[in-house]
Amino acid sequence: GQNIDQPTEMTATEGAIVQINCTYQTSGFNGLFWYQQHAGEAPTFLSYNVLDGLEEKGRFSSFLSRSKGYSYLLLKELQMKDSASYLCAAPYAGNNRKLIWGLGTSLAVNP
Amino acid sequence: DTAVSQTPKYLVTQMGNDKSIKCEQNLGHDTMYWYKQDSKKFLKIMFSYNNKELIINETVPNRFSPKSPDKAHLNLHINSLELGDSAVYFCASSPGGRYGYTFGSGTRLTVV
Repeated sequence: GQNIDQPTEMTATEGAIVQINCTYQTSGFNGLFWYQQHAGEAPTFLSYNVLDGLEEKGRFSSFLSRSKGYSYLLLKELQMKDSASYLCAAPYAGNNRKLIWGLGTSLAVNP
Repeated sequence: DTAVSQTPKYLVTQMGNDKSIKCEQNLGHDTMYWYKQDSKKFLKIMFSYNNKELIINETVPNRFSPKSPDKAHLNLHINSLELGDSAVYFCASSPGGRYGYTFGSGTRLTVV
């Protein structure tokens, strides 16, 4: 089967670092996406990893290990506005036109 | 300039009615999608069109019918609305590959 698992909820403190994990099982791996969704809003694209390793984009970085079927999103210098749901998604059977989605990790950043 | 715009933003209607949601993108993307996000926040793909051709048609009741008059527009018509259809419906577009999707702001449908 194909599925994506990520923790349901996480809490962190403003200014801290948080790591949101995602494990996936897909056939024909073709990359992994991270999206951010604020309450009541649309998901917005954060990152895409297709090769192993860490990709850094400002305060957000995303890591992929294809052999372990594992990814994480690292958020540094947390701000209150980072409180949102973070969704992991992977192409279904390697088809980038059809993604399977995790249920999202709801991150609460406290002062 | 809005990249992916969908209307209406809110829709409250009675059971049994027929309603439509419209979506337009000005990004020049070839592929457009309809997603349903339920109360548990699970994003489920419903349909996808590539250059006006239906390429993904998930297990969705046939009361739902998409239409793509051109590659910049994808509409969703729903017949005989049921309580379980209440959800947020997102339109999205993508050029494919590593660029991900751009989502519209969503249509919150409430069936009473």
